[in-house]
This record gives sequence, C-alpha cells and structure tokens, in this order.
Amino acid sequence: VQLFESGGGLVQPGDSLRLSCAGSGFTFGDYVMTWVRQPPGKGLEWVSAISGTGGTTYYADSMEGRLTISRDNSKGTVFLQLNGLRVGDTARYFCGKARAIGTGWDGTVYGGRGTLVTVSS
Amino acid sequence: IVMTQSPLSLPVSPGEPASISCRASQSLLHSNGDNYLDWYLQKPGQSPQLLIYLGSSRASGVPDRFSGSGSGTDFTLKISRVEVEDFGVYYCMQTLQIPTFGGGTRVELK
Repeated sequence: VQLFESGGGLVQPGDSLRLSCAGSGFTFGDYVMTWVRQPPGKGLEWVSAISGTGGTTYYADSMEGRLTISRDNSKGTVFLQLNGLRVGDTARYFCGKARAIGTGWDGTVYGGRGTLVTVSS
Repeated sequence: IVMTQSPLSLPVSPGEPASISCRASQSLLHSNGDNYLDWYLQKPGQSPQLLIYLGSSRASGVPDRFSGSGSGTDFTLKISRVEVEDFGVYYCMQTLQIPTFGGGTRVELK
C-alpha cells in the first residue's frame, strides 16, 4: 500500500489550493479516505473524510465551509480543495485509507510523507 | 469530544515498560460494544503509524509488546518493554464522532 500526497506550496491568505493523494497497491474505490494535518511543531488535527463511492463526505467543524473533499476512483486519487486559506492553515497534510473494506475512519492507515501548505503574506 | 493525554513527556530506558493514559470528555463506548479509540505513533518526519484500533485491537504488523486497554472514557496504551524504535510521539484519537486527537505524549530516551 502506497499513498503519495502532492499539491502543497506557499500561498497568500485568501488563496485556494487543491491537494491530491494518489493511492496504489489496493482497490482504491473500496476504501474510505481521510485527510489529517499537522502544523509545524504541533499535534495532529483530523480534517476530512470521504466514502468509497464519494457519495458521503465529512468535515472538521473548524474548517467546514472552506473545504471540499472529492475522489476520482478511476485514477486512484482523492482531492482536498482548500479555499479562503488562513495563516492558521499552515500545516503538513497527510492522507490515509481505512484499515479494511467496510470500515470507516476507525483505524486509518497513513503512509505518505504528506504535503506542506504554507500560508503567508 | 475532547481528548486529554498524560503525561506530556515520558522518559524511559530501553527494556523498561511504558504506559500512556488517554481520557475522553464523553464515553467512546458504542452500543455495539466497541470502544472507538485509536492509538498512533509518529516519528520525526513521518506520517502517523496506526498501532491500536477499537481500543484494544493491534493493527497489522504491530509487535505484541504494544497493548491497548480501557473502556468508556479512560484508556491506556502499554509498551511491555520499550525498544529503540518505539521512541516518538504517541497520540490517541477518538473515532466515535468526527475524530479528535489527544495532544500527544513524547516518549524519549531517559
């Protein structure tokens, strides 16, 4: 199982960014996918999740309204659209997959190195 | 749901046991009998590694020196004998509702 996050970078407050996470080594569409983030030197924060079909999405209350999670199962990729970025959104963003088919976000497995989003003027 | 871990830092020597506590602001016990609590280890520059899910089930490939216990609001992660590769930051996370992490416990070399 491999997960590879990309799309991060340096942006200004108010900008938008779309992060991607490509998965391989498993049947992508069978698994719930999740994003978490980690500000530099701080702890982990859960961000968002999406069902295997993409029909159901979940967001952390702190960021709801500024996020959109989506997926393209034909390409084995999950996306996180970040809008209205703030300095406080500066963090490394990691994606993860459910531990087994039919499970949700309990026991999510992470594997990539994450992608760094830096919001600064 | 607010998750509170203790201690903040835990100095240990290799071969010694270690124990980390995690308390939830409300019960994580589901009507199906499962406690929705995960434990992760994060090493510098790496993504979190799943150790324990549903309170006490070891994830695939996790050594049996790691064990999770507890129910309701109080949970414990125990390492029977700490090895060098176990040093890092441990997080608990509730998965009963929209997930929330504890603040982390740094297990470091004494």
